[in-house]
Amino acid sequence: SAVISQKPSRDICQRGTSLTIQCQVDSQVTMMFWYRQQPGQSLTLIATANQGSEATYESGFVIDKFPISRPNLTFSTLTVSNMSPEDSSIYLCSVSGYDEQYFGPGTRLTVT
Amino acid sequence: GESVGLHLPTLSVQEGDNSIINCAYSNSASDYFIWYKQESGKGPQFIIDIRSNMNKRQGQRVTVLLNKTVKHLSLQIAATQPGDSAVYFCAEKEYNQGGKLIFGQGTELSVKP
Repeated sequence: SAVISQKPSRDICQRGTSLTIQCQVDSQVTMMFWYRQQPGQSLTLIATANQGSEATYESGFVIDKFPISRPNLTFSTLTVSNMSPEDSSIYLCSVSGYDEQYFGPGTRLTVT
Repeated sequence: GESVGLHLPTLSVQEGDNSIINCAYSNSASDYFIWYKQESGKGPQFIIDIRSNMNKRQGQRVTVLLNKTVKHLSLQIAATQPGDSAVYFCAEKEYNQGGKLIFGQGTELSVKP
């Protein structure tokens, strides 16, 4: 299984600002995913980030709001832009082989 | 914005009893299913998986059952322990949809000592 770390683990941000979340994996992986988990809810896929191509966003998520970088096979960033209180969530990085999929510990974001 | 409180289905069991957590999935074309355990403040942890060409798979103290006819998945935990208390999610994947995993609602399991 892959070991995934995320930075920061939590943050409190003011509305209108942006936060960049980093995801580091201990092995090279082709497929990386970013999920959002709102309080008391399940996980919702934001986008798929494969190295060497633009991220693919799910319905309801746009690049201007959640720009993603994937510079190599072990690292990705997700930026939450122009934040509002509705963006308060846990943001999770995930990596996948053909079948199994593993998650980082998450970044708990609170927007005031 | 409006504050959304916790409203996951809950299951409360006595320590030592068996637990059954159910999940209805939506996509009849899904090829692969995973059960995850999520403890407070942590990311989802892989428990067990099953491919669509199987109807049962067993792990250590856990069994997953798949009924494709009614699009139903269940997780059975034998001899439930207090450390099993967590939120459990099922997730489905369709291989020709870019490998993305779609999550179900989740169930909160509470184990009483």
